[in-house]
Amino acid sequence: EPEVTQTPSHQVTQMGQEVILRCVPISNHLYFYWYRQILGQKVEFLVSFYNNEISEKSEIFDDQFSVERPDGSNFTLKIRSTKLEDSAMYFCASSAGPWTTIYFGEGSWLTVV
Amino acid sequence: GENVEQHPSTLSVQEGDSAVIKCTYSDSASNYFPWYKQELGKRPQLIIDIRSNVGEKKDQRIAVTLNKTAKHFSLHITETQPEDSAVYFCAASSSSGSARQLTFGSGTQLTVLP
Repeated sequence: EPEVTQTPSHQVTQMGQEVILRCVPISNHLYFYWYRQILGQKVEFLVSFYNNEISEKSEIFDDQFSVERPDGSNFTLKIRSTKLEDSAMYFCASSAGPWTTIYFGEGSWLTVV
Repeated sequence: GENVEQHPSTLSVQEGDSAVIKCTYSDSASNYFPWYKQELGKRPQLIIDIRSNVGEKKDQRIAVTLNKTAKHFSLHITETQPEDSAVYFCAASSSSGSARQLTFGSGTQLTVLP
């Protein structure tokens, strides 16, 4: 069964450093998402992406965040200057259409120290 | 925006018993309600979903009910097995905007005791 894959599974970074989290969505999917889950809290929507542009974003997704589809297979989340409060599990997800089932990756655990 | 509350946060049942997890939502425009199961260290996986034009949906031992008037929906697992042990998340979204934006509940840790 096709799966969303994410790398790295775990990253530790110093505060202020830039981080790029990578995702390979399911190959025939057109809609891509990032969600995050701070330890002990709810899974929160960050951003959705379609046709090479952001379609929706939450209040969390401020100027320090950016997303990109650099080639035909990867979808990345960049955090420009990490803060301690960015420590969380970041889930990439994809769906075939805007209202179809969303499939999640296994997550990238980011620890900012 | 949407707010989803989920109860209980932890639930222990004996193998073979039923488990019920309840969620409430705030936005009357929400019309899609999926349930995800997440085993430790693994991805959230969709186990069942329901749309607002349906009051109940069943898939083998799993069922979901939706009460639009009261704005709540529930997951029912019958004949529980140890492999049902996981964290279960409910979510809600509407069809507004250009893509689905899921709002999640806080999760329920289900433990099925052998």
